[in-house]
Amino acid sequence: EPEVTQTPSHQVTQMGQEVILRCVPISNHLYFYWYRQILGQKVEFLVSFYNNEISEKSEIFDDQFSVERPDGSNFTLKIRSTKLEDSAMYFCASRAGGLSNQPQHFGDGTRLSIL
Amino acid sequence: DAKTTQPNSMESNEEEPVHLPCNHSTISGTDYIHWYRQLPSQGPEYVIHGLTSNVNNRMASLAIAEDRKSSTLILHRATLRDAAVYYCIPGADTGNQFYFGTGTSLTVIP
Repeated sequence: EPEVTQTPSHQVTQMGQEVILRCVPISNHLYFYWYRQILGQKVEFLVSFYNNEISEKSEIFDDQFSVERPDGSNFTLKIRSTKLEDSAMYFCASRAGGLSNQPQHFGDGTRLSIL
Repeated sequence: DAKTTQPNSMESNEEEPVHLPCNHSTISGTDYIHWYRQLPSQGPEYVIHGLTSNVNNRMASLAIAEDRKSSTLILHRATLRDAAVYYCIPGADTGNQFYFGTGTSLTVIP
């Protein structure tokens, strides 16, 4: 069964450094998402992406964050200058279509640790 | 986004059926109800979804109340591998992002 893959599984970065998290969504899916989960807390929506542009973003997704789909297969999340509070699990998800009956398929996440 | 209410935790004996309830009284008429689960150290995993009728798949069954204000995920025979946090999520067309609540942490007792 096709799946969403994320790399790396664990990223350790110094505060203030840039980090790029990578995701390969399921091929032929059209909608892409990033979520994060701080340890012990809820899964939180960050951003959704469709047709090569952001369709929705949460208040968490400030100017330090950006997303792109550089080559038609990868979907990346960049954090420009990391802060301690960016430490979390980051999950990528993809979806075949945009209607309410379409499930999202999640990767197993990247654990980001900011020192 | 539609608010959901689920028990914080539930326990089940292995091989027994489990009924996980969810209240979603503010759900709109076109929102499907999605259920996901999250095993430790993994991403959310799709379980099942439905609109009005009861639904079955190889993982579980979903019973949806006639007024759609609540639903119940049914695991027919709980296994140790089913120990996870279970989330019910109304899926909206607008924006299409999912809003996760705190879910129900299911413990399966051998």
